[in-house]
Amino acid sequence: DAKTTQPPSMDCAEGRAANLPCNHSTISGNEYVYWYRQIHSQGPQYIIHGLKNNETNEMASLIITEDRKSSTLILPHATLRDTAVYYCIDSGGGADGLTFGKGTHLIIQP
Amino acid sequence: DSGVTQTPKHLITATGQRVTLRCSPRSGDLSVYWYQQSLDQGLQFLIHYYNGEERAKGNILERFSAQQFPDLHSELNLSSLELGDSALYFCASSVGSASWEANYGYTFGSGTRLTVV
Repeated sequence: DAKTTQPPSMDCAEGRAANLPCNHSTISGNEYVYWYRQIHSQGPQYIIHGLKNNETNEMASLIITEDRKSSTLILPHATLRDTAVYYCIDSGGGADGLTFGKGTHLIIQP
Repeated sequence: DSGVTQTPKHLITATGQRVTLRCSPRSGDLSVYWYQQSLDQGLQFLIHYYNGEERAKGNILERFSAQQFPDLHSELNLSSLELGDSALYFCASSVGSASWEANYGYTFGSGTRLTVV
C-alpha cells in the first residue's frame, strides 16, 4: 500500500499557482520524495523529486518540510494542460519500483 | 515521446487466450518495470528486470510472466486471460542501480490497453 496521503481532488484557476500537498510521515532517511502526474490514460510523467532540500525545475517546485514528513508540489502558473492526477511517492529507488497511491486529481478551471 | 516504446497500443482478445506485450526501454536504461492499471486498483507494480535478470516481483499473478532479452527489450506474457485482466499495462525504464534511480527517476511508456472479452 502507498505510504503517502494526498487529497483526492483539487481545483485551481488557470494562471494561478497550484499547490498540491502530500503527507509522508513514515518516510525513511534514505527515501526520496517523487512526484509524477498522469494525464488521462497516458503513461505517468516524472515531474520532480527531492531528498530534503527544496528543488525547482522547468516544470515545478518541490518544497519539503524540515522534518521531511510532508511536501508541497507547486505548479507556478497552471494551464488547462496541467489537469491530471498527481502522485506523490516516497521511495529509496530500490528494486521494488514505485508504489502509487490514488493521487490528487487536479482540475484547472478556465 | 518518452523514449520508452510499448507495443501494441491496443489489444482485444477473448477469455482463455494468451497475449504478449512488448516494451523497449529508453536508450541506455538497463531496468524495466511492468505496471498494471485497472479502474479499481490504480497503478500496481508487477515485476522488475535489470540487465536480463529478475530483480523484484510485485502483485503479479502466476498466469503472468515476463523476461528481458539481451537487447534489453522486455516482454510481458499474460495467459489464461480473464475479464478482470482488462487494464492498461505500462512499462517504465530507468538507468538501473538504486542510486541512479533515486537521482533520475523512471520513464514510462504510453501503455498497452488490453481488453478481454
